[in-house]
Amino acid sequence: QVHLVESGGGVVQPGRSLRLSCTASGFTVSNDAMHWVRQAPGKGLEWVAVISYDGSQDYYAESMKGRFTISRDTSKNTIFLQVNSLRVDDTAVFYCAKQTVVRGLAYFDSWGQGTLVTVSS
Amino acid sequence: DIYMTQFPSSLSASVGDRVTITCRASQSINKFLNWYQQKPGKAPKVLIYAASTLKSGVPSRFSGSGSGTDFTLTISSLQVEDFATYYCQQSSNLITFGQGTRLE
Repeated sequence: QVHLVESGGGVVQPGRSLRLSCTASGFTVSNDAMHWVRQAPGKGLEWVAVISYDGSQDYYAESMKGRFTISRDTSKNTIFLQVNSLRVDDTAVFYCAKQTVVRGLAYFDSWGQGTLVTVSS
Repeated sequence: DIYMTQFPSSLSASVGDRVTITCRASQSINKFLNWYQQKPGKAPKVLIYAASTLKSGVPSRFSGSGSGTDFTLTISSLQVEDFATYYCQQSSNLITFGQGTRLE
């Protein structure tokens, strides 16, 4: 059974950095592309980044380029999101999600429970 | 970038109603369109993928249609457990979500 568990969230001061983790079980992260999605309080879903199944490529939402870095450790079956220079408007629940592809069409078939990042002085 | 416009942003309905939510892409995305349901405090879950394919285990009262730029999610007879927020998502070029439709 596929299971995703995010961790690493918390309260952090503006300008600091944070690394979020998403540990997978029931499948191998080297088999599927993995994504991060965030959701500010009371707001909609915002896609953040993706890392390809083989780890060779990563892509970011335009507004996330430069401060966000997605990576993975296949030995731990875990993906990461490094966020630098945190801003108050980065306050959000961060979800990791597993991509699946059917007939060439991709969707997210599993999500973690999310980890809350609160940026506040 | 591909932008997704979803409407209405909120919808008041009653049990038994037929409900339709619309999603429009800023350019053609063929059938690279998925629909998710999110309940408060929970992660989203997929309902429909590839515009019209019902995810296994999702009730048949949910259906999706469309291709190109215009898509709809229909709930044929609203049930109590369907009151939630719905998002469309394009996966043609990276990922973009619609703004969401809150069903209340």
